[in-house]
Amino acid sequence: QQPVQSPQAVILREGEDAVINCSSSKALYSVHWYRQKHGEAPVFLMILLKGGEQKGHEKISASFNEKKQQSSLYLTASQLSYSGTYFCGTEMAPMNYGGSQGNLIFGKGTKLSVKP
Amino acid sequence: DVKVTQSSRYLVKRTGEKVFLECVQDMDHENMFWYRQDPGLGLRLIYFSYDVKMKEKGDIPEGYSVSREKKERFSLILESASTNQTSMYLCASSLFSGLAGWNQETQYFGPGTRLLVL
Repeated sequence: QQPVQSPQAVILREGEDAVINCSSSKALYSVHWYRQKHGEAPVFLMILLKGGEQKGHEKISASFNEKKQQSSLYLTASQLSYSGTYFCGTEMAPMNYGGSQGNLIFGKGTKLSVKP
Repeated sequence: DVKVTQSSRYLVKRTGEKVFLECVQDMDHENMFWYRQDPGLGLRLIYFSYDVKMKEKGDIPEGYSVSREKKERFSLILESASTNQTSMYLCASSLFSGLAGWNQETQYFGPGTRLLVL
């Protein structure tokens, strides 16, 4: 049930764009995106709940496809401060996961390195 | 401001020792979680709790137990530490909300405890 994140790692130059994907074999209730810098706690970025939803701002945004099995995180015109490991945390839809109190299943993470 | 604190940032223990990891949140959250984080494996859920004195097993509960006597505090216990429990341990909390009990609130993480078992 662990979501699959891709790519596992990506190296960018400042100003370049990146897309990180998070896929599930079953329909999801929600997707939560986090960024974790080395030695620090994961920090919440955004949550997506609705199929077809897109949210965020100009530089960092995310989408959730209509089937609610895939989410993508978009990093535009990357900055040095974007470096870190990005995780998606997924919450299964009730019909597929009998009885949850809201615990998330996290992907293995995507390590993003932005170089000057 | 949201705050989740963990008792230690770094801990070194010997094999067979009993280890207590403490987590405290000051946000009046109902849900609390313990994860371990290992390179290449991501965050894996050990136990979680949605109320005082309530606990649920996560994906990897073997070798661990938990205690939640007060709403703000969630403890992870390694009854007899082993070298394969060397890891980064992260605590998180979240508000319980949403229709039919589904949590639409995100989780807030503590800074983590890096445990080394020798």
